Amino acid sequence: DAKTTQPTSMDCAEGRAANLPCNHSTISGNEYVYWYRQIHSQGPQYIIHGLKNNETNEMASLIITEDRKSSTLILPHATLRDTAVYYCIVRDTSGGSYIPTFGRGTSLIVHP
Amino acid sequence: DGGITQSPKYLFRKEGQNVTLSCEQNLNHDAMYWYRQDPGQGLRLIYYSQIVNDFQKGDIAEGYSVSREKKESFPLTVTSAQKNPTAFYLCASSMGALYSGNTIYFGEGSWLTVV
Repeated sequence: DAKTTQPTSMDCAEGRAANLPCNHSTISGNEYVYWYRQIHSQGPQYIIHGLKNNETNEMASLIITEDRKSSTLILPHATLRDTAVYYCIVRDTSGGSYIPTFGRGTSLIVHP
Repeated sequence: DGGITQSPKYLFRKEGQNVTLSCEQNLNHDAMYWYRQDPGQGLRLIYYSQIVNDFQKGDIAEGYSVSREKKESFPLTVTSAQKNPTAFYLCASSMGALYSGNTIYFGEGSWLTVV
């Protein structure tokens, strides 16, 4: 089962920041937080990942709380093309291997 | 271009037939995965492979089979034993499966419809 909790859906106005929350209260010290997004009928696309520190790349910023029990993905200037399902995942330790588990994610709709 | 190639993009299967979905990667990744996605749902793991000639069942392996004869290839066969195979199938790969810091990359997916 997925170890993260995300809102089912969110919406955002084009040009504004989209802030997508994720709760991962049972995360352990060496588990990473990953974010992916999936546009309809395409494969999920990697966005960003982090362990403890906040991270930023050309697509987004990842803010991880100090206790690491939650994180927020920030799309600083959302566009219509950012409409997608966003998945927050953490490492699944089944068998000691990294088996990514994807829940239902957050459906983000960016409107004009 | 480097990446993961799935084929075909769309496939129709008659009842009782086996079909094979192709997945090829040129990323030199050790680990490969197959997921199934039903409309409006998340991804469920079918099979994964950490190394050539080795693979493990995921959460919903019944009615599916795989092989890993080459590092770059991980085909998925949907057998007639799979009672509800209509779904979107996603292949993925990562540099290694044993460390949590490895990013997983996905192909573009294959739609399978039973007619």
